[in-house]
Amino acid sequence: DTGVSQDPRHKITKRGQNVTFRCDPISEHNRLYWYRQTLGQGPEFLTYFQNEAQLEKSRLLSDRFSAERPKGSFSTLEIQRTEQGDSAMYLCASSLDGIDTEAFFGQGTRLTVV
Amino acid sequence: DQQVKQNSPSLSVQEGRISILNCDYTNSMFDYFLWYKKYPAEGPTFLISISSIKDKNEDGRFTVFLNKSAKHLSLHIVPSQPGDSAVYFCAASDNQAGTALIFGKGTTLSVSS
Repeated sequence: DTGVSQDPRHKITKRGQNVTFRCDPISEHNRLYWYRQTLGQGPEFLTYFQNEAQLEKSRLLSDRFSAERPKGSFSTLEIQRTEQGDSAMYLCASSLDGIDTEAFFGQGTRLTVV
Repeated sequence: DQQVKQNSPSLSVQEGRISILNCDYTNSMFDYFLWYKKYPAEGPTFLISISSIKDKNEDGRFTVFLNKSAKHLSLHIVPSQPGDSAVYFCAASDNQAGTALIFGKGTTLSVSS
């Protein structure tokens, strides 16, 4: 399978704990994105990497959130001191470089904070 | 303020008929538009896209129409099939501002046999 892969698929954590998600993009894709989706909403942009450089960050990405893409391949998204409002589907997507390029999404990580 | 709006939360269509899903946007700088389909517990799947230099793009049963003056696009599915039942998201981006996609809230399509 050469699509975007996310791990884990589901995560239940207690409020205040830290969680980390991993995303493996399509191998030839330079661009990698993180989105968050809550019930009844479309995906909301969080952050974007061009290779290993984090080039865009949404205001939604509070200081409890940090993302890395150390070697320009896989990426991690960490949420520190989780809150119940962090419960959502976290989606990773990747795309080729250039304009008018479609992003391909992974299956997402469903986070539940209890 | 929502920049991409899908005003119909749901649509029901009979198998074999046409499904028309609509999307409006407010940001005149958007120059690339996409439609994604999403099944429960899965990530969105890319369907079809259109650049602002075009007004129509076709791919098999799927056609997207763009009306820039009205800031409106629509997705036509002909003929509709039960397997098309899913949530459809419209998304837009401004290539000059960045690469982030702005999504609408989605329309749930139900195709009955």
